[in-house]
Amino acid sequence: EPEVTQTPSHQVTQMGQEVILRCVPISNHLYFYWYRQILGQKVEFLVSFYNNEISEKSEIFDDQFSVERPDGSNFTLKIRSTKLEDSAMYFCASSEVEAPGDEQYFGPGTRLTVT
Amino acid sequence: GQNIDQPTEMTATEGAIVQINCTYQTSGFNGLFWYQQHAGEAPTFLSYNVLDGLEEKGRFSSFLSRSKGYSYLLLKELQMKDSASYLCAVSPSYNTDKLIFGTGTRLQVFP
Repeated sequence: EPEVTQTPSHQVTQMGQEVILRCVPISNHLYFYWYRQILGQKVEFLVSFYNNEISEKSEIFDDQFSVERPDGSNFTLKIRSTKLEDSAMYFCASSEVEAPGDEQYFGPGTRLTVT
Repeated sequence: GQNIDQPTEMTATEGAIVQINCTYQTSGFNGLFWYQQHAGEAPTFLSYNVLDGLEEKGRFSSFLSRSKGYSYLLLKELQMKDSASYLCAVSPSYNTDKLIFGTGTRLQVFP
């Protein structure tokens, strides 16, 4: 069964450093998403992306965040200058057609630890 | 505001039936999802309801009442592997992609 993959599984970085989290969505999917989950808290929407542009972003997704689809397969989330409060599990998701009504498939996540 | 409430924790016995409730108050509504999340893993899709009523899928069923802002997930013939968090998520509008998640209900199944 096709699946969303994410790398790395765990990233440790120092405060102020830039990180790039990588995702490979399911190949025939057109809609891509990033969510985050701070330990013990709810899953929170960050951004959705379609047709090479952001279609929606949350209040969390400020100027420190950016997303990119650099080629036909990868979808990346960049945090320019990490803060301690960015420590969380970051999930990439994709769907074949526009949500809602279509299942969003989640990747296994990247655990980001900012020290 | 957007608010989704679920019980924090539930316990049940192997072979039993458990019902996990979810109430929501959102600016709009265009569907409710249930996801299962094992510790340290990604959420996996269980069900989607957009119309009132019961959707059955094997051992799992999901119910929706839009007028009451209420849904439940029913798990039958519980197995140890059903121990996980169950996340209720709402799509608040037809013209948005995002899902708004509840805090999740951690279910522990005992032998």
